[in-house]
Amino acid sequence: GENVEQHPSTLSVQEGDSAVIKCTYSDSASNYFPWYKQELGKGPQLIIDIRSNVGEKKDQRIAVTLNKTAKHFSLHITETQPEDSAVYFCAASKEIYNQGGKLIFGQGTELSVKP
Amino acid sequence: GAVVSQHPSRVICKSGTSVKIECRSLDFQATTMFWYRQFPKQSLMLMATSNEGSKATYEQGVEKDKFLINHASLTLSTLTVTSAHPEDSSFYICSASRDRGLGQPQHFGDGTRLSIL
Repeated sequence: GENVEQHPSTLSVQEGDSAVIKCTYSDSASNYFPWYKQELGKGPQLIIDIRSNVGEKKDQRIAVTLNKTAKHFSLHITETQPEDSAVYFCAASKEIYNQGGKLIFGQGTELSVKP
Repeated sequence: GAVVSQHPSRVICKSGTSVKIECRSLDFQATTMFWYRQFPKQSLMLMATSNEGSKATYEQGVEKDKFLINHASLTLSTLTVTSAHPEDSSFYICSASRDRGLGQPQHFGDGTRLSIL
């Protein structure tokens, strides 16, 4: 079945450094790849997403890259800050027009940014 | 921006009780909503897809009679955990996206922490 692998499971960086989280998906028909940030006791919050017709997308300190051939996508956070500390999830989906496609989530990465 | 509201945020109840959780899209219509379950330190596992006006689609291994889903309007889906037992204790989260073409992200509620004693 559909599967999304996410690495690493934990990541600790110094404030100001960059953080990279990588995901691999199994279903080549997946066409939508969101990233979510989840803080303790809260629901996931969308931070950036990318569709399969785009190779890279950037929003301030956050960027996502997609390699469709290798079925890899990655999240890049630059100039990390303590408030970036949270659990990050990647996900893959096959979107259907006018309907939400179900998300298959990776296992999550617990990011810790040390001051 | 899009907001999904989930209620209640926390429930503590005795074994055998049925518990209803509500998920509302506050500023958009959502034909489809999703229900997830999350155990501590783990990822989100899709339980079912809730479809307005029709039966929910359950993922493999999820008991339909245990987890009743009703999507009565374009802004409200409910999940009822029937005859809950301690093993049903978990964090339940819903999500919804706008019914408009492609590229509509799923927005999540803040979850319901269910504790069965």
